[in-house]
Amino acid sequence: DAGVTQSPTHLIKTRGQQVTLRCSPKSGHDTVSWYQQALGQGPQFIFQYYEEEERQRGNFPDRFSGHQFPNYSSELNVNALLLGDSALYLCASSSQGANQPQHFGDGTRLSIL
Amino acid sequence: AQSVTQLGSHVSVSEGALVLLRCNYSSSVPPYLFWYVQYPNQGLQLLLKYTSAATLVKGINGFEAEFKKSETSFHLTKPSAHMSDAAEYFCAVSDLGGDYKLSFGAGTTVTVRA
Repeated sequence: DAGVTQSPTHLIKTRGQQVTLRCSPKSGHDTVSWYQQALGQGPQFIFQYYEEEERQRGNFPDRFSGHQFPNYSSELNVNALLLGDSALYLCASSSQGANQPQHFGDGTRLSIL
Repeated sequence: AQSVTQLGSHVSVSEGALVLLRCNYSSSVPPYLFWYVQYPNQGLQLLLKYTSAATLVKGINGFEAEFKKSETSFHLTKPSAHMSDAAEYFCAVSDLGGDYKLSFGAGTTVTVRA
């Protein structure tokens, strides 16, 4: 039973570029959340997708956008990259319900030069 | 908005000693609470969760946590530390209904001395 898979594992971009990160949820899960984890900090919630719609959003600018596909996989897009966007981006999947635990992938390490 | 505070950014214990990691939440209504562990260059792994069924929650790898409403705490313990317990630990909270996100504490790094 595959868990949450993310690609790519590492990515290097320069300021102003755009990036797309991908996530496949754990089998049986229909909800995908994205988090940003800066070095030495806890993960910060970016947004959550359910039924192909953004259900909830954290305090992130519109440069951060996403998508969920009919097979529940998801993408995170970041436009006009800033140095401060350098972080580990984590995808988590879960079943419907606030008490359902979120299962995390190993993340994509994004470095902005 | 729900939040959690983890007391102590670093904890150092001897192998075989008690591990105690502290987490306090801010809410008048008991939320859902979780402990996650993160090993270097990996994602987060769920250790245990509290969803109001029982105040003492047992998790994986010998960890357990006790929910204390009077203290708004959810501290994580393990009776005997192993070298493999060296990692970063995060306490997280989510609201009851309507708020689906996890809000994480700043994390506690555990080192285990031989």
